[in-house]
Parts: sequence; structure tokens; C-alpha cells
Amino acid sequence: DTGVSQDPRHKITKRGQNVTFRCDPISEHNRLYWYRQTLGQGPEFLTYFQNEAQLEKSRLLSDRFSAERPKGSFSTLEIQRTEQGDSAMYLCASSLAESELWAVLPLHFGNGTRLTVT
Amino acid sequence: AQKITQTQPGMFVQEKEAVTLDCTYDTSDPSYGLFWYKQPSSGEMIFLIYQGSYDQQNATEGRYSLNFQKARKSANLVISASQLGDSAMYFCAMREVYGNNRLAFGKGNQVVVIP
Repeated sequence: DTGVSQDPRHKITKRGQNVTFRCDPISEHNRLYWYRQTLGQGPEFLTYFQNEAQLEKSRLLSDRFSAERPKGSFSTLEIQRTEQGDSAMYLCASSLAESELWAVLPLHFGNGTRLTVT
Repeated sequence: AQKITQTQPGMFVQEKEAVTLDCTYDTSDPSYGLFWYKQPSSGEMIFLIYQGSYDQQNATEGRYSLNFQKARKSANLVISASQLGDSAMYFCAMREVYGNNRLAFGKGNQVVVIP
């Protein structure tokens, strides 16, 4: 049983560098989400895709952040010109889109990528 | 906008005892789902239990049960017979059906199980 996988698990980078993270969702899941979690806080929504379409972006997602899901399978999250405030855990999650409005399906998360910007 | 509130300080619980984690929420959407996730120190978010807003009965999953009080907008998690491996952060979360598709999280409850 393959769950959501994220790569890398840890990334240390210097301020100003670009970084890219990858997420492979559960294969039959058509929705993919990116969240960011800082120490002592719950995860905060960044963006989500349904298939290859990016349907929603949070105001947290500044123009230095870009996410793609080119073929509706894996996704990448790139952060350009990293800042120390970008240090966080970046979590990817996937789910099926609900077919019934009364049934809300859970998100299944990966292990996250911990980013440290020095 | 949806809002999840978890205000309890860190909790210590004796092994084999039950523990209740409080969660209140706010939404204007009539259809929504409530979730609890566990996050151990290793970082992964583990889905525990789900309650739909139209569900008549409280959800149960093994040692986890959700005390859903819709009129009070609360969705407390009860962990029975605590085990050492239950030590973790626990997050309450909600998704609205007619609103956006974001899963909104509370700030979490820290639970430490002591032998």
C-alpha cells in the first residue's frame, strides 16, 4: 500500500536560493493539497489541485511560490529566493473528490519536507 | 470563514486512562466534515476519525470516539485506554462542502502518556 510520498524529507538551503519539493499522491486520488506547518501551529493551507488544474491558492502563497501538477499525478512546489521565514514543514496531502455532497472525505498526508533556510 | 478552536494546554494522562480533547468550530455551511489527526514527533499527520455534519451517531474507530454536539459546535475526541504510543499532537480539522475545499486545522493539543 503506497501512501503519499514526499521528497526530500529534509532540505537545508541558504537564503536566496531556490528549492523544489516533490509530492507523489495516492495513485487514484485526483485532489492534491499543499500545506505549510510552522512550529507549534496547525498546518495552513497553501494550494490545491483537482487533476492538473490548480483550483485555489491561499494568500500565504506569495509570488515566490509556485506549484504545478502537470499531468495530474505528482506535484512540485517551488520556492524562489528563499527567506528565513520560509523555514517550515511543507506537507502534501491527497484525496478523492467527493461524489456526494453529504460525504466529506479525509485528506491523507505525506511525511512532509522540512525546510530550513539559513 | 471556518474556524477551529483548540485551547487546552498540554495534557498528561496515565497509561490505560481515557483522555478527552476539546474542539469547537464555527461555520455557516450546513454540510461539513470534522476530522481528527495525530502528529507524532516524527511529523507525519495520521488520520484518526471523521464525523459528518449530517451523521446521527457519534463516530468511533477502535479506541477513538468523537463526541459530536452539533448545536454546541463541538467535536471532542475521546481516546480510551491510553497507550504510550498515543503521545503526540492531536489536531482537529474541518472541511466545508459548499464553501472552499480547505481542510482548516486548529492549533492542536499536546498529549503525553505516562506509564
